[in-house]
Amino acid sequence: AQKITQTQPGMFVQEKEAVTLDCTYDTSDPSYGLFWYKQPSSGEMIFLIYQGSYDQQNATEGRYSLNFQKARKSANLVISASQLGDSAMYFCAMRVGTGNQFYFGTGTSLTVIP
Amino acid sequence: NAGVTQTPKFQVLKTGQSMTLQCAQDMNHEYMSWYRQDPGMGLRLIHYSVGAGITDQGEVPNGYNVSRSTTEDFPLRLLSAAPSQTSVYFCASSSLGAPLADTQYFGPGTRLTVL
Repeated sequence: AQKITQTQPGMFVQEKEAVTLDCTYDTSDPSYGLFWYKQPSSGEMIFLIYQGSYDQQNATEGRYSLNFQKARKSANLVISASQLGDSAMYFCAMRVGTGNQFYFGTGTSLTVIP
Repeated sequence: NAGVTQTPKFQVLKTGQSMTLQCAQDMNHEYMSWYRQDPGMGLRLIHYSVGAGITDQGEVPNGYNVSRSTTEDFPLRLLSAAPSQTSVYFCASSSLGAPLADTQYFGPGTRLTVL
């Protein structure tokens, strides 16, 4: 069975500081992809970053980076230089093998403090 | 290119009423899915479809029906609404068999309240 776990229901970070949002996953399939989405208060789901199970390097997209530790089955999102606009809900998700189904974690609510 | 559209954006129902949440995409995606989002529970898959005429159940299908008569449309029907169906509903689509790195494309969501 596939499972995504996000253990931080809520996080606070000072503006301009870095923050790490935790995500662990479980799958027996050697081929999988890990995704992070941002959901601001307006409600839409915004794709942030992707990491493939065979990727040798950690993914980066601007201020977002993914700390991928395959042996520990973790895919933590790191946001550098936090901005007030980063306040949102963040979801970790996984897609496995050739399937189209996504498995989502329960999300982490991030609040950036001025 | 509108992407994935959902209507209505907000809806209030009384217990026992029926309604259909509409979802349409213009990207010619074969795979479409419906999720519900509840506080502390993330997004849970209700139903999905891999093409016109083909649908299947997800994690939480009870109380919901779907059909897929065209590639573009994937409506979600609540036959007899219950307060437990109060939630935010998202429709999403993607290409069948797309590379693993391809994300799903989400609609803007429908916020449903059942009184």
